[in-house]
Amino acid sequence: SQTIHQWPATLVQPVGSPLSLECTVEGTSNPNLYWYRQAAGRGLQLLFYSVGIGQISSEVPQNLSASRPQDRQFILSSKKLLLSDSGFYLCAWKRRGTGFYGDTQYFGPGTRLTVL
Amino acid sequence: KQEVTQIPAALSVPEGENLVLNCSFTDSAIYNLQWFRQDPGKGLTSLLLIQSSQREQTSGRLNASLDKSSGRSTLYIAASQPGDSATYLCATVAPGSQGNLIFGKGTKLSVKP
Repeated sequence: SQTIHQWPATLVQPVGSPLSLECTVEGTSNPNLYWYRQAAGRGLQLLFYSVGIGQISSEVPQNLSASRPQDRQFILSSKKLLLSDSGFYLCAWKRRGTGFYGDTQYFGPGTRLTVL
Repeated sequence: KQEVTQIPAALSVPEGENLVLNCSFTDSAIYNLQWFRQDPGKGLTSLLLIQSSQREQTSGRLNASLDKSSGRSTLYIAASQPGDSATYLCATVAPGSQGNLIFGKGTKLSVKP
């Protein structure tokens, strides 16, 4: 069976500090990977997605970046955090090659980031 | 640009009541419509997925319907229980994307014992 992990579970960081959130998937190969942010009152927003190692697409311009150094590893980073980066960050994966009609995304447990 | 709206934002019902959650979308060119459940501080769990060629899907006490022409989907929960309390999110897959989901803001459901 497939499992998706995220860490850390919670993080409190000062403004201007760097950030690194990690997501790993087990039990599948070549997944599509996604980073979402859920901010209060704004709903879930897609930040980045990746269809392969080193292939990153950004949906929203911001001071965050993403990388995929390995097939089942997805990292969200920032060099300098802003107050507006606070939120709940969710990683998700989807099987590649199954089309978009009948297959869903599977979400990790999330990371709660508070920037002070 | 696809927009997904969920009304109401919050709903409180007594245990045992049947209820309907609503989701609307602006662009009928969708691959599918999905319903997720999110418990406080947790990730999302997929509940039901309706492909664009389908009209409804059922799982236990849950039934989701899709009317593409009117841009609407409903999630029907029968005989609600306190354990159903959670936020329910609907989402569509954007055409031309890599399966990217566009979410509504959710309906927070509270079922009172």
